[in-house]
Amino acid sequence: EPEVTQTPSHQVTQMGQEVILRCVPISNHLYFYWYRQILGQKVEFLVSFYNNEISEKSEIFDDQFSVERPDGSNFTLKIRSTKLEDSAMYFCASRRGQGVLYEQYFGPGTRLTVT
Amino acid sequence: GQNIDQPTEMTATEGAIVQINCTYQTSGFNGLFWYQQHAGEAPTFLSYNVLDGLEEKGRFSSFLSRSKGYSYLLLKELQMKDSASYLCASTDSWGKFQFGAGTQVVVTP
Repeated sequence: EPEVTQTPSHQVTQMGQEVILRCVPISNHLYFYWYRQILGQKVEFLVSFYNNEISEKSEIFDDQFSVERPDGSNFTLKIRSTKLEDSAMYFCASRRGQGVLYEQYFGPGTRLTVT
Repeated sequence: GQNIDQPTEMTATEGAIVQINCTYQTSGFNGLFWYQQHAGEAPTFLSYNVLDGLEEKGRFSSFLSRSKGYSYLLLKELQMKDSASYLCASTDSWGKFQFGAGTQVVVTP
């Protein structure tokens, strides 16, 4: 069964450093998402991406964040200058179509630890 | 405002039935999803509702009342492996999910 993959599974970085989290969505999917989950808290929407542009973003997704689909398969989330509060699990998700009948598939997540 | 409320924790014994309630108040509502999440893992899809009524999928059923902004997830014949967090999530037309904080279900022998 096709699945969303994410690398790395765990990333440790120092405050102020840039990190890039990578995701490979399911190949025929067109809509892509990033979510984050701070330990012990709820899953929070960051950004949605379709047709090579951001379709919606949350208040969390400020100028320090960016997304890119550089080569038609990878979908990346970049944090330019990490802060301690960026420590969280980051989930990538994708879906085939826009309608609610299309299931959204989540990747296994990248645990980001900022020290 | 945007809000999704669900109980923090529920405990039930193996073989029992548990009902997890969720109330929501979100803009652009297009459907209500239920996910299961084990600690440190990604959410996995359980069930969804678009129209009012009950959807049954094996041991899991979900109910939606759009007029009341209310849903529930019913877990029957509880097994130890059902111990997990259950996430209620509303979706809009773009597919963005807004999640509740999750209900931790503890299944005891």
